Amino acid sequence: SYVLTQPPSVSVAPGKTARITCGGNNIGSKSVHWYQQKPGQAPVLVIYYDSDRPSGIPERFSGSNSGNTATLTISGVDAGDEADYYCQVWDNSSDHVVFGGGTKLTVL
Amino acid sequence: QVQLQESGPGLVKPSETLSLTCSVSGGSLSGYFWSWIRQPPGKGLEWIGYIYYSGSTNYNPSLKSRVTISVDTSRNQFSLKLTSVTAADTAVYYCARYGANRKWFFDLWGRGTLVTVSS
Repeated sequence: SYVLTQPPSVSVAPGKTARITCGGNNIGSKSVHWYQQKPGQAPVLVIYYDSDRPSGIPERFSGSNSGNTATLTISGVDAGDEADYYCQVWDNSSDHVVFGGGTKLTVL
Repeated sequence: QVQLQESGPGLVKPSETLSLTCSVSGGSLSGYFWSWIRQPPGKGLEWIGYIYYSGSTNYNPSLKSRVTISVDTSRNQFSLKLTSVTAADTAVYYCARYGANRKWFFDLWGRGTLVTVSS
């Protein structure tokens, strides 16, 4: 089955740029979606199809996907961005949904 | 706007069956896929499976032998049954909409419900 690998944690100072990676075999050939989950809340979609933003998501959130790594980039990070972030793909070879293990973003 | 709400027992005994229902308000089940996702305490998200409004299903192979997802379009609800539960099935269970406009991500989520497996 397809595996998505995320770093357990990423730390960034306020105002700086956070980059959260999602690794997978030839993930660049798949469409990657990203979710933000704050404590006690349901996940919220922040990026879909690699780099598109749902309405209401700030432009500070962006995404890219190439080769074996997809990246969620959050620029001008503030305390409100502190959360867990999950990547997700649909694995066409198995027709199953796959989530990454999640990354906890800490704002220093 | 469309809202999802999970309901069901918060406590299930080991070896018994976990049963949850997701009620969809503000919109129809028709034309969409409806999914269950769970999250053990302090851990990540795990996809359980989904059902198309017409009834076709797709399950996570790691749970397939114990899972049944069904749909009741007359009540605008879909349901999850997980048999032979153990403590490892303790988790927050979310229902979510999947595949809106054939876009393969989860665009709407319920608030989640905690199910604890314990005697």
